[in-house]
Amino acid sequence: SQELEQSPQSLIVQEGKNLTINCTSSKTLYGLYWYKQKYGEGLIFLMMLQKGGEEKSHEKITAKLDEKKQQSSLHITASQPSHAGIYLCGANGGDYKLSFGAGTTVTVRA
Amino acid sequence: SQTIHQWPATLVQPVGSPLSLECTVEGTSNPNLYWYRQAAGRGLQLLFYSVGIGQISSEVPQNLSASRPQDRQFILSSKKLLLSDSGFYLCAWGDRLGETQYFGPGTRLLVL
Repeated sequence: SQELEQSPQSLIVQEGKNLTINCTSSKTLYGLYWYKQKYGEGLIFLMMLQKGGEEKSHEKITAKLDEKKQQSSLHITASQPSHAGIYLCGANGGDYKLSFGAGTTVTVRA
Repeated sequence: SQTIHQWPATLVQPVGSPLSLECTVEGTSNPNLYWYRQAAGRGLQLLFYSVGIGQISSEVPQNLSASRPQDRQFILSSKKLLLSDSGFYLCAWGDRLGETQYFGPGTRLLVL
């Protein structure tokens, strides 16, 4: 199975400030997924990246996959309280199964 | 559009009691179905997945089992719960075209 390391484990950001979360794999990523989870709830799919150098944006959230396809970053611009939660990256091992990182807890302070 | 349901939302069970958690998907046919467990402070652990009716693959040996009696129904069971079975259980479905998985709202299980 593919092991994913997320950093930081948690972060606190002032409302309106930017933040970045990283997800690193020791193996080539064939599909990298970002999810958001609020405590006690299910995971919400944010976006999927497949090609080296790919970048996708949705509202104020941008995700990138590096050229070597071993690291992805999630960047939130001008954070808002609605951005608070746990962000998880998941990797596709090519067999319909996903492996997940431990998650990054984001707290947005007003 | 597709929706995924899980019930119950929360469950408190004594050690040694049986368990049955249900997951159903609407709006899609022949999905891949998955059961995950999320323990406090840890990532998601894949427990079972299914590519069709009656086809179950187990990822982690344990006292849990899964069944898929219908195309869009996935059940997680146990004959005798252990304290270590406590956690947050998530069901997910994935389509055959892409590999994106979509998650249900989860069931929080507390074994006392």
